[in-house]
Amino acid sequence: NAGVTQTPKFRVLKTGQSMTLLCAQDMNHEYMYWYRQDPGMGLRLIHYSVGEGTTAKGEVPDGYNVSRLKKQNFLLGLESAAPSQTSVYFCASTVRGSEDEQYFGPGTRLTVT
Amino acid sequence: GQSLEQPSEVTAVEGAIVQINCTYQTSGFYGLSWYQQHDGGAPTFLSYNALDGLEETGRFSSFLSRSDSYGYLLLQELQMKDSASYFCAVHSGAGSYQLTFGKGTKLSVIP
Repeated sequence: NAGVTQTPKFRVLKTGQSMTLLCAQDMNHEYMYWYRQDPGMGLRLIHYSVGEGTTAKGEVPDGYNVSRLKKQNFLLGLESAAPSQTSVYFCASTVRGSEDEQYFGPGTRLTVT
Repeated sequence: GQSLEQPSEVTAVEGAIVQINCTYQTSGFYGLSWYQQHDGGAPTFLSYNALDGLEETGRFSSFLSRSDSYGYLLLQELQMKDSASYFCAVHSGAGSYQLTFGKGTKLSVIP
């Protein structure tokens, strides 16, 4: 099992460009999450999904959109990137979403210039 | 909303014991988790406490006091590889689908 994988690992964007980050998990987990992590900060939840076809906003959703068309995939989109979105993005998944541990992907380091 | 407080940095000697504290303010508290993150790596799960008391997993233990809105992570027999950032995170809200993380404690283990 690969666990949770993220594509790409690194990306540099110009302000105003768009991109999609892909998260895939092969553990048949129902719940998936997108976080961002900035220096000196903990992880902040952007959006999450409790099942195929469902998404919900987290703590910092502005400027991002998500889709969960297939259970194993959770996509994070930036329609018009801004320098404030420079961050490391982590995807995570879990079986139930409560006390179960969240399994994290390796992260995507995004720089917006 | 939720807020968590934990020390930003801790330094300890190899072989010693270190305690990392976490205090929280939240509505609808369901439990407290701890995660470890090495530089450049992904967070990995260490422990979860829903009830008051101590949970032990090998060299690591985690404690929770719901009445004091307080928890800690205890690392024993410190090894150099324990140098990492440690995050406490609260499970809260309807269905407790969401985790809110603290800003993390950077632990440096010195010889």
